[in-house]
Order: sequence, then structure tokens, then C-alpha cells
Amino acid sequence: DTGVSQDPRHKITKRGQNVTFRCDPISEHNRLYWYRQTLGQGPEFLTYFQNEAQLEKSRLLSDRFSAERPKGSFSTLEIQRTEQGDSAMYLCASRLAGDYEQYFGPGTRLTVT
Amino acid sequence: AQSVTQPDIHITVSEGASLELRCNYSYGATPYLFWYVQSPGQGLQLLLKYFSGDTLVQGIKGFEAEFKRSQSSFNLRKPSVHWSDAAEYFCAVGFNDYKLSFGAGTTVTVRA
Repeated sequence: DTGVSQDPRHKITKRGQNVTFRCDPISEHNRLYWYRQTLGQGPEFLTYFQNEAQLEKSRLLSDRFSAERPKGSFSTLEIQRTEQGDSAMYLCASRLAGDYEQYFGPGTRLTVT
Repeated sequence: AQSVTQPDIHITVSEGASLELRCNYSYGATPYLFWYVQSPGQGLQLLLKYFSGDTLVQGIKGFEAEFKRSQSSFNLRKPSVHWSDAAEYFCAVGFNDYKLSFGAGTTVTVRA
């Protein structure tokens, strides 16, 4: 298994545009988490899935953000009408039920100009 | 609410010297505690974790951490650092369904 993958690795967009990121978790991992990491800070929890069900969303996740995990496999995170404050690294992690460790992907770095 | 404090933003250490990174947490229940390392442009890699039992835990790359409930601390140590240990280190608390709350991180620079 090649681990958690994220695409794209880097995204530059203009304010007001929509962007979508993809995360492919490790096979068989039914838990999937999204985090956001801004410069000089640790990652902050955004949302997570158990299979295809989105179980919790952080208050950090405004209504411009939406995440899906169709069929309980890959997940997408969409940001509509991007703002400069959305510039950050978006990290995805997955975990197997019963295991404690979250395995992180390399992240998608978003720059909003 | 849970919170994690890493008091040291940046530490510089000589190669071969010992390293200790501090972590204090605030959490109402029994904590699940983690240390992660992040190299530039890379994702987070788990160094070690504590859930219960022996309060001194061993991790990968020669790291260890000690859980002290009375001090609400989970400090990371390494007896002798290597140049490849230069990275950013994050302490984290796991809460409901293992969502993680991270500290702000400590950047470690290793000088020759």
C-alpha cells in the first residue's frame, strides 16, 4: 500500500474561485479526517467520516466548505468563493477502526491570491 | 475543551547532544497523547503514542516520551540527535473518536 495520497499537492487560485481537493486513504481505512494547517500553527481538525457518513464538522468549517466521501473510499473537500484567509495546507488522514494511529497524506497547499 | 501547549517555538541543538521538547495539555478525561514529526513539504509521521500503562513510551527513530499526569505533561526526548532530526515536532491530544488537537509545534534546528 502506498499510503494516503492527496491531489493536487499545490494549488494557486484567485480570490472568489472554487477549488476542490481529493484525498485517497489507505485501502480498508474506514475513518477519514481533514485538517487545516496555517503557517506557524499545528493542524486543526475540520471534519471526519466513518465510511461515507460525515460524522462531525468543526466550527472552522464555514458554509463555503463542503466535504464528501462517496462510497466510503476517496474524499473531496471543496471550498467555494475562496478568500485569502483560506490559504493553508489541507491535510487528510485515515485510520482503521480499532487502530489508534492516523496516517497522514502529504497535504495540499492552497494559496489564494 | 482540550488544548495543547508547546512552550518552545524553536530549539537549536548540536548534533550528538540531547533533545527535550515540552508539551502540556488540558483535557478533562484520560488523554490519548501523540508526538508527530513533520519535515518540510511532508505529511505528519507518528513518532510515538501513549494511551495507558507504562508512562515512559518508546517510539521510532530513538525518541521516547514520558507522561506525567500530575504535571499534565508529555515531554519528548532523544539522547543524541542526528542532523536528520531537524524538523517540526507536534504534540497532540486525541479526543472523541481520535480526532486530534495539536500544539503549535516546535521547530528543531540541528547544528554541526
